[in-house]
Amino acid sequence: GENVEQHPSTLSVQEGDSAVIKCTYSDSASNYFPWYKQELGKRPQLIIDIRSNVGEKKDQRIAVTLNKTAKHFSLHITETQPEDSAVYFCAASIYSGAGSYQLTFGKGTKLSVIP
Amino acid sequence: EAGVTQFPSHSVIEKGQTVTLRCDPISGHDNLYWYRRVMGKEIKFLLHFVKESKQDESGMPNNRFLAERTGGTYSTLKVQPAELEDSGVYFCASTRPSGMSGRLEAFFGQGTRLTVV
Repeated sequence: GENVEQHPSTLSVQEGDSAVIKCTYSDSASNYFPWYKQELGKRPQLIIDIRSNVGEKKDQRIAVTLNKTAKHFSLHITETQPEDSAVYFCAASIYSGAGSYQLTFGKGTKLSVIP
Repeated sequence: EAGVTQFPSHSVIEKGQTVTLRCDPISGHDNLYWYRRVMGKEIKFLLHFVKESKQDESGMPNNRFLAERTGGTYSTLKVQPAELEDSGVYFCASTRPSGMSGRLEAFFGQGTRLTVV
């Protein structure tokens, strides 16, 4: 089955700096890679996702890159703010349609943005 | 729209007791998933329902766990008898039917924190 490795497990950055979280996956058939953010005491929420037919996707201060050959994908947060502090999970999935897919998650990265 | 709701939010039970967790997915979401996160580890898949049918239960740890989704609406996850290693946060998520180009998003509930003592 799929295996997702995520690094680092913890990350502290100064407000305004960039943060990068990296994930690797094992199953070359995986084609959908979402990132979830979980703030303390709250539910995981999708912040950005990328499909295997795209190499990069941006949404304001957040970007995700995908290297299918190397089987790794990364989350980039620029101009970090204190409200970016949370646990971030990467995930990989084989999506074949009808909204049905099983997510394999990484272990999470606890990001702390220091004011 | 109302989100995915889970009940209870916390449960503390003794080893050997039974606990039943409930998940109400977003209305119209055929796909319902159960996940579990043991402290400090990854969120792990347990099982997947499509409507009332179990599509994939490969992640269920053992036969002490029983999930149901009668009528294809809410789902329950029963642990009987509970063991210490069952402690963790149990998440439910739901997704709507979507084509290949549609927006994919798994909507998560806030989770049930289960502590077995």
